[in-house]
Amino acid sequence: AQKITQTQPGMFVQEKEAVTLDCTYDTSDPSYGLFWYKQPSSGEMIFLIYQGSYDQQNATEGRYSLNFQKARKSANLVISASQLGDSAMYFCAMREGTGRRALTFGSGTRLQVQP
Amino acid sequence: KAGVTQTPRYLIKTRGQQVTLSCSPISGHRSVSWYQQTPGQGLQFLFEYFSETQRNKGNFPGRFSGRQFSNSRSEMNVSTLELGDSALYLCASSFTSQQTGELFFGEGSRLTVL
Repeated sequence: AQKITQTQPGMFVQEKEAVTLDCTYDTSDPSYGLFWYKQPSSGEMIFLIYQGSYDQQNATEGRYSLNFQKARKSANLVISASQLGDSAMYFCAMREGTGRRALTFGSGTRLQVQP
Repeated sequence: KAGVTQTPRYLIKTRGQQVTLSCSPISGHRSVSWYQQTPGQGLQFLFEYFSETQRNKGNFPGRFSGRQFSNSRSEMNVSTLELGDSALYLCASSFTSQQTGELFFGEGSRLTVL
């Protein structure tokens, strides 16, 4: 079974609007972390936001927020007030257990922001 | 503060050759991880080093190897290259090996195998 599922291969959004990128995960480990990364065409993976499995509140970082629904095992990324520079690939990733660094990535969502 | 530096950025090899990729982590970071990114398989974990010791290894054949030096710089080597090894190889560093620490990625080394 896929550990991280991103069901939206591509998304379009108008500039200044909000957009939600979906991510569901599968793990039996009670301790895990969820990450979102942005990958522009240059190839570099840029860290956006982190949510720990024991965190009580949804994570927020500027225009990025993570809609964490633990019972549903979903960790959707919300980008508010989209900008042209937000056009990129977005990856959801999970790290399971403690002391383990390896991230499992989803297949990604290509976001295109239209003027 | 300089980011993660990977060299070379682009390289072309032929089947059967071997290749060595280098990664210099952010100053002070002791953990270095490597990932392979291909259109078909996506991003896959190769291995992770912390203080010169391999901590974790992904599901890749023995042709893929790596090491970390005392200054935390890391190299990965792929021997007997195959066409399927064509990929973007990403290196990531972090300060600790704690779960909550974010990974900082480099821009990658794009390998083409002909």
